[in-house]
Amino acid sequence: GAGVSQSPSNKVTEKGKDVELRCDPISGHTALYWYRQRLGQGLEFLIYFQGNSAPDKSGLPSDRFSAERTGESVSTLTIQRTQQEDSAVYLCASSPPWGTSGYTFGSGTRLTVV
Amino acid sequence: DQQVKQNSPSLSVQEGRISILNCDYTNSMFDYFLWYKKYPAEGPTFLISISSIKDKNEDGRFTVFLNKSAKHLSLHIVPSQPGDSAVYFCAASAVYNAGNMLTFGGGTRLMVKP
Repeated sequence: GAGVSQSPSNKVTEKGKDVELRCDPISGHTALYWYRQRLGQGLEFLIYFQGNSAPDKSGLPSDRFSAERTGESVSTLTIQRTQQEDSAVYLCASSPPWGTSGYTFGSGTRLTVV
Repeated sequence: DQQVKQNSPSLSVQEGRISILNCDYTNSMFDYFLWYKKYPAEGPTFLISISSIKDKNEDGRFTVFLNKSAKHLSLHIVPSQPGDSAVYFCAASAVYNAGNMLTFGGGTRLMVKP
C-alpha cells in the first residue's frame, strides 16, 4: 500500500485480557519499528525488525510484550495480561534498509485498558 | 539516559511570529537529525531533516539549524500559522545504524494563537 497501515485504530480491553495489534508496512521497507506514546509522554521505542535479522527487543517493557514479523511484511505486537499502564497509542513505522529518508509512521492504535 | 532531549514541553506563539523549537543531544555519533510533526489521532509525519555536514537546511517556512559543537539543533517556523499547532519531535540517527534507527526526543507541543 501507499502508507503504513495499522489495525485496529482503537481498542478497549479489560485488564488481564490479551490484545494483538497489527501493522502493514510500506512495500519494500525492510525495517519496521514499534513505538508507544503514553498520554503526555514522548515516543518510547519498543522493538525493531530489520529484514531477516534477529529483532532488537531492547525496548520491550516486560515479558508480557512480544512481537513477530512475517518476512518483510506484516508485524503483530501482542500484549498479554494487559494492565492499565499499557494504555497508550501504539505506533508502527517502517523505513528502507539504508539511506536518510527517516520513518513513515502509521496512524497508530489507541489502546485503552479498563 | 535520554540521548535526545526537548526541554520545553510546550510553546505558545502568536500567529505570524516566529516559533523556535529546541533540541539537545548527547551522543556524538549522531550525524543525521530530523523533525517530525504530530497532530492528535495521527502518526508523526516527517517535516525536515539535516545532515551533520550542514549547519542549516531550509524548506519554505521551516528552517533547521544545527550546532554540532553544542550538540544542539533548533527548528524555526516563520511565520507561524494556526495550522502549525501540533506536537513536534526531534530525532537523531547515526548513519552507520542499519535501518535508520532513530532516537526521539520527548516532544514539544506548539500552540499558535490566531
